[in-house]
Amino acid sequence: QITLKESGPTLVKPTQTLTLTCTFSGFSLSTSGVGVGWIRQPPGKALEWLALIYWNDDKRYSPSLKSRLTITKDTSKNQVVLTMTNMDPVDTATYYCAHRKDYFGAFDIWGQGTMVTVSS
Amino acid sequence: SYELTQPLSVSVALGQTARITCGGNNIGSKNVHWYQQKPGQAPVLVIYRDSNRPSGIPERFSGSNSGNTATLTISRAQAGDEADYYCQVWDSSTEVFGGGTKLTVL
Repeated sequence: QITLKESGPTLVKPTQTLTLTCTFSGFSLSTSGVGVGWIRQPPGKALEWLALIYWNDDKRYSPSLKSRLTITKDTSKNQVVLTMTNMDPVDTATYYCAHRKDYFGAFDIWGQGTMVTVSS
Repeated sequence: SYELTQPLSVSVALGQTARITCGGNNIGSKNVHWYQQKPGQAPVLVIYRDSNRPSGIPERFSGSNSGNTATLTISRAQAGDEADYYCQVWDSSTEVFGGGTKLTVL
């Protein structure tokens, strides 16, 4: 059974850097084709894709946020970490991580999400 | 950048068929995935690669994709189908989500 869980601060100040961790079980990020993505959702708004990392360390970023995002993986710990710099109140959202089993596939299993508020 | 267009809302009578569209330039050439999201919950995949249902998703959910429109069809709509629905594609190394459609079951 695949599960993912996001963790990180619930409140960050403007200009700070956000670090979120996705801890997963039930699969390995060293298995060919597998990826983990990050998606966020501001309150009352639509889903927005942020970043994706594959088993081979191939990394993809949202073009509009690329300069602020870094995604890394720790295969031995079954974790994927997302950092977002220069946080702003508009970045207030629920942040999800999700499993992908192959290139071009869907995000088939999602974490419960973690709400991050950006406020001074 | 690639854009996906969904209607803000769709209403369907209980037991009838709901159709939610997702428009995009030549979307028929892409793999379209659909997610259901109920209030306060994480999204759940209901259709992948245009028309495939994951294990555990009722046969009432189906999908199609051709030309510039992909469609999620929910047959015999139930009260429990009331949710937001999002389409998603991969385009030029980026993932794109539609703006979401709120399905109301009357």
